[in-house]
Amino acid sequence: GQNIDQPTEMTATEGAIVQINCTYQTSGFNGLFWYQQHAGEAPTFLSYNVLDGLEEKGRFSSFLSRSKGYSYLLLKELQMKDSASYLCALTDSNYQLIWGAGTKLIIKP
Amino acid sequence: IAGITQAPTSQILAAGRRMTLRCTQDMRHNAMYWYRQDLGLGLRLIHYSNTAGTTGKGEVPDGYSVSRANTDDFPLTLASAVPSQTSVYFCASSATQERNEQFFGPGTRLTVL
Repeated sequence: GQNIDQPTEMTATEGAIVQINCTYQTSGFNGLFWYQQHAGEAPTFLSYNVLDGLEEKGRFSSFLSRSKGYSYLLLKELQMKDSASYLCALTDSNYQLIWGAGTKLIIKP
Repeated sequence: IAGITQAPTSQILAAGRRMTLRCTQDMRHNAMYWYRQDLGLGLRLIHYSNTAGTTGKGEVPDGYSVSRANTDDFPLTLASAVPSQTSVYFCASSATQERNEQFFGPGTRLTVL
């Protein structure tokens, strides 16, 4: 079967760095997505990793280790608008997305 | 329209009533999806369609049906609503099944009493 784990909630300070972890178990793997979801809104795409390593996109970076079943999303220079839920999702062997429950990130001034 | 739209935005429905949630995209995406999102749970796939004319069951299909008569539209029907179907429903699309960066509609908040 498939299983995805991410922390339920994290708190960080404006201007700081935060790392949100995602661990997974799956019988088939075709890539891992990170999405951002502000309260009351739809999820929006942040990043996609299919190979091991770090993908950097501005203030956001995402890392994947397929052998360890592990990914993280790194957010730098945190801004108040980064307060949101961050969803980890893996693509299974049928190319369907399996979603984690999400990590609610609270940014404090 | 640009992107993916859903209607209605919200709805309160009596148990036992039939309801269709509408979803339309103008990106000519082949694949479309219906999810429900409940507090504390991840997005759960209800039904999907990899191309017009085909549909498939997701993780939680019971009580729901879909059709895909053309590329743009993917309606979700609750034949006889029950309170456990109270949720936020998101429609999404991706270019293909394999190129599956998914774009989401704004959601429909459904309450079944």
